[in-house]
Amino acid sequence: DAKTTQPPSMDCAEGRAANLPCNHSTISGNEYVYWYRQIHSQGPQYIIHGLKNNETNEMASLIITEDRKSSTLILPHATLRDTAVYYCIVRVPGSQGILIFGKGTKLSVKP
Amino acid sequence: DTAVSQTPKYLVTQMGNDKSIKCEQNLGHDTMYWYKQDSKKFLKIMFSYNNKELIINETVPNRFSPKSPDKAHLNLHINSLELGDSAVYFCASNLGGLDEQFFGPGTRLTVL
Repeated sequence: DAKTTQPPSMDCAEGRAANLPCNHSTISGNEYVYWYRQIHSQGPQYIIHGLKNNETNEMASLIITEDRKSSTLILPHATLRDTAVYYCIVRVPGSQGILIFGKGTKLSVKP
Repeated sequence: DTAVSQTPKYLVTQMGNDKSIKCEQNLGHDTMYWYKQDSKKFLKIMFSYNNKELIINETVPNRFSPKSPDKAHLNLHINSLELGDSAVYFCASNLGGLDEQFFGPGTRLTVL
C-alpha cells in the first residue's frame, strides 16, 4: 500500500504556481520522496526526488519539511500541459526499484 | 529515438486466448518493469526484472509471465486471458534501484 496521502484533486490558474502537498508521516530516515506525473493516456513521467534537502530542477521544486513528514511539489508557472495526475511516492533503497503508486492528485490547470 | 517502446498500442482479443506484449528500451538500462493500470486508474507493479533477479508481485496470476530475450527487451506473455485482464499495461526501465524509471506509452488490452 502507498505510504503517502494526497488530495484527490486541485485546480490552478495558468501561469500561477501549483503547490501540490503530500503527507508521509511514517517515512523512515533512509526513505526518499519521489514525484511522478501521468498526463492523460501516457506513461508516468519522473519529475523530481529528494531525501532531506529541498530540490529544484527544470521541471519543479520539491520542498520537504524539516521533520520529513510532508512535502510540497511546486510547479512555478503552471501551463495547460501540466494538467495531469501527480503521484508522491516514498521509496527505500533496496526495494528493487519498485514504485508503489497511490491515488495521486489530479491537477487541472485552467486558462 | 523512442526510449521505451511497446507493441502493440492496442490489443483486442477474446477470452481464453494467449497473447504477448512486447517492450524494448534503447537506454542501456539494466532493469525493466511491467505495471498494470486498471479501469479505476490504479497503477500496480507486476514484475521487476534484471539479468539477476525476477521480482514478482504475489498478486499477479501465474498466467502472466515476463520473458527477456536480452537486456533491452522484456515481453509480457498472458495465457488464458480473462475479462479482468482488460487494462493498460506499462513497461518501464531504469539503471536499477532508486534511479528514475522511464515508462513506455502503454498497451491497452481489451478482453471480450
